[in-house]
Amino acid sequence: EVQLVESGGDLVQPGGSLRLSCAASGFTFSNYWMTWVRQAPGKGLEWVANIKPGGNEKYYVDSVKGRFTISRDDAKNSVFLQMDSLRTEDTAVYYCVRLERSGYFEYWGQGTLVTVSS
Amino acid sequence: DIQMTQSPSTLSASVGDRVTITCRASQGVGVWLAWYQQKPGKAPKLLIYKVSSLQSGVPSRFSGSGSGREFTLTISSLQPDDFASYYCQQSNSYPYTLGQGTKLEIK
Repeated sequence: EVQLVESGGDLVQPGGSLRLSCAASGFTFSNYWMTWVRQAPGKGLEWVANIKPGGNEKYYVDSVKGRFTISRDDAKNSVFLQMDSLRTEDTAVYYCVRLERSGYFEYWGQGTLVTVSS
Repeated sequence: DIQMTQSPSTLSASVGDRVTITCRASQGVGVWLAWYQQKPGKAPKLLIYKVSSLQSGVPSRFSGSGSGREFTLTISSLQPDDFASYYCQQSNSYPYTLGQGTKLEIK
């Protein structure tokens, strides 16, 4: 059974940093692109970033470029999202997602809440 | 960036109704269009991928169609479990983008 378990969400002040983690199991992690998708309270879904197996290819939504960094450890079946220079508009539930070859989001974690507030 | 626009934003319907949600892309997305269902407090669930392919385990009352820039999600006979929010998503090009969502409410 595919499982994705996020952790690391917290309350942080504007300008602060946070690192999200996602532990994957139930599939061959090193074969799959991984994704972070977020959802602000009461709002829609927003794709944040993708990372290729091995980590040498990454893509980001413009609003987080230069502030967020996606990475992975294929040996530990984990993907991460380092979030720096956080803004209040980054407040959201962040979902870890397994990306399928056609670019759709097949398996989702339960989400972790990041709140950016003073 | 490709903008995805869903209509309507809110839809009121009754159990047994046939409903259709439309998703329009600002430019062509080929076959790279997916649909998701989300219930309050839960992670989204994949329903349809590549425009019309039904995800394993999803009831056959859900179907997708369309091409180019206009796509539809149809629920042939609404069931109580179907009242939720629905999102379309394109993966034709980066950045991946999603529609703003359609909330399906009980009439």
